[in-house]
Amino acid sequence: GAVVSQHPSRVICKSGTSVKIECRSLDFQATTMFWYRQFPKQSLMLMATSNEGSKATYEQGVEKDKFLINHASLTLSTLTVTSAHPEDSSFYICSAKRASGNTIYFGEGSWLTVV
Amino acid sequence: AQRVTQPEKLLSVFKGAPVELKCNYSYSGSPELFWYVQYSRQRLQLLLRHISRESIKGFTADLNKGETSFHLKKPFAQEEDSAMYYCALSGYNQGGKLIFGQGTELSVKP
Repeated sequence: GAVVSQHPSRVICKSGTSVKIECRSLDFQATTMFWYRQFPKQSLMLMATSNEGSKATYEQGVEKDKFLINHASLTLSTLTVTSAHPEDSSFYICSAKRASGNTIYFGEGSWLTVV
Repeated sequence: AQRVTQPEKLLSVFKGAPVELKCNYSYSGSPELFWYVQYSRQRLQLLLRHISRESIKGFTADLNKGETSFHLKKPFAQEEDSAMYYCALSGYNQGGKLIFGQGTELSVKP
């Protein structure tokens, strides 16, 4: 089956620094990738839709200058949390949609802790 | 507004008992509805989607447009069904963008 991989799975960074999370589709091309944020035992909140070769579309209330999304290729999207604060600590999940078909595949998620 | 509501945060049943996880939605149009499951320490995975009308691991869900519901059911719960279950909605021509409910933790006791 199709696999979506996120890296790193866990990261700790200091307040004020930036951290990058990668989302890769390992065996298929993904024209669209999605970034979600999930708090413990709560729902996934869609942050942005990432389209290959174009600017990401951010959901209302998500700061585009803080959460930089780049989708440089059909197999890679990155989320960079800039000037991280402790309140940015969360579980970030990406999903990818195949270039052909409508099936969505989820990554395993990345835990970010800002200290 | 697009919204998915799962009224129960936690549902606890005994093995062999019937299970129904509730999901209601709000959407102006014809949405596609999904159930996703997240087992402990694992990634989110698709359980079923309403257009498939299939049964996965004994679970079924019927879209009721009149009641705007998509409840997930299983006649006999198993311990391995214990997990977080998320109902999700996607509008047609929205390119796979999913709106999730709050999730229901199902705990099946022996």
